[in-house]
Amino acid sequence: EVQLVESGGGLVKPGGSLRLSCAASGFTFSTYFMIWVRQAPGKGLEWISSISSNNYTYYAESVKGRFTISRDNAKKSLYLQMNSLRAEDTAVYYCARSDRGFDPWGQGTLVTVSS
Amino acid sequence: QSALTQPASVSGSPGQSITISCTGTASDVGSYNYVSWYQQHPGKAPKVLIYEVSNRPSGVSSRFSGSKSGNTASLTISGLQAQDEADYYCVSYSSTTTPWVFGGGTKLTVL
Repeated sequence: EVQLVESGGGLVKPGGSLRLSCAASGFTFSTYFMIWVRQAPGKGLEWISSISSNNYTYYAESVKGRFTISRDNAKKSLYLQMNSLRAEDTAVYYCARSDRGFDPWGQGTLVTVSS
Repeated sequence: QSALTQPASVSGSPGQSITISCTGTASDVGSYNYVSWYQQHPGKAPKVLIYEVSNRPSGVSSRFSGSKSGNTASLTISGLQAQDEADYYCVSYSSTTTPWVFGGGTKLTVL
């Protein structure tokens, strides 16, 4: 079964850091573009970052310079290092495989930025 | 403000058909056939319904169909069912600084 499982969310103070992980299974992880999408409480979906199979990275303006996407193909894992967090970064963060649309998605992990 | 424009809400009765529009620009929807649609139930992760404008993944009901004309993509749901009540999002590849742009989402109510 093709599956993605996120972890690493939690409560962090403004200015703090957090690292999200996304564990992949059931497919050849190394050959796919992967993405991170977030959803603020009660709001819509927002693409924030992508990484290609050969590590080219792309970022939304809202997170550029603060967030870093990376991958470890040997561990079949995707990461999102989030620094200088702000209240407006509070959201559920999803990872997804970019293939025939975005499919599948993980279950999401909640990041709350609050003092 | 989202890059792609969707109606905030639509509604329909069981058995009816509804269409959700997704309007972009020549930099996204109008120039690329990388438009996809997602269904999201409350508290759940999104699920792909349509990819590359009109392709349906295996396992997705044939009641869901997609199309595109100019800068506007559309999702049609035929034979509405109670379980179709959810939020729907479109997304398109874009040649601007943001490679992927989402619509603001449409809440479907089945009356």
